[in-house]
Amino acid sequence: TQLLEQSPQFLSIQEGENLTVYCNSSSVFSSLQWYRQEPGEGPVLLVTVVTGGEVKKLKRLTFQFGDARKDSSLHITAAQPGDTGLYLCAGDNAGNMLTFGGGTRLMVKP
Amino acid sequence: DTGVSQDPRHKITKRGQNVTFRCDPISEHNRLYWYRQTLGQGPEFLTYFQNEAQLEKSRLLSDRFSAERPKGSFSTLEIQRTEQGDSAMYLCASSLKFLSRGGEKLFFGSGTQLSVL
Repeated sequence: TQLLEQSPQFLSIQEGENLTVYCNSSSVFSSLQWYRQEPGEGPVLLVTVVTGGEVKKLKRLTFQFGDARKDSSLHITAAQPGDTGLYLCAGDNAGNMLTFGGGTRLMVKP
Repeated sequence: DTGVSQDPRHKITKRGQNVTFRCDPISEHNRLYWYRQTLGQGPEFLTYFQNEAQLEKSRLLSDRFSAERPKGSFSTLEIQRTEQGDSAMYLCASSLKFLSRGGEKLFFGSGTQLSVL
């Protein structure tokens, strides 16, 4: 059972559009990470958010951690075909392993 | 060091055969994780090592699965008597665990894609 629910599961948009993907849980996490994974490769860490309400920007990507540290969002501005991939959130509950969400598969069409 | 290395990249086997995968972590990393990922899903935790000690195993890891990390360096994951349901991508990740806050940063290998026929 996944403790982290990601939505939407699939997203297909045109180049230049904006989008937001969500990561929700009923559990509190000490930190939350976002990864991007391309077909046939392992996930690559994009960002870690730690403080409730924290916002981090990585070029056209904006990550937000919810005030209660139970949810997070990823907003992409002016999406490009190179943004295509599987976006995964993963929660760290200060235990010994990350719990991953099911992922949002993004396709950006030129 | 160029990152986490996994071997082989692909493995096709017949049901009932045993398979072994290898993971070479980033050299200074003390933690090593195994995850399994099926198509369209996020990675699921299998087990992890801190140095050579295996500290936690998921309920997903049946008796047919065994993992080792001798000398706290590379790790192997063996699956005995493979079943079709074992078909998945097996991912290895390593990290350098600090006691400070800020989350643990995992560096993943490219995975081993297992197909059980």
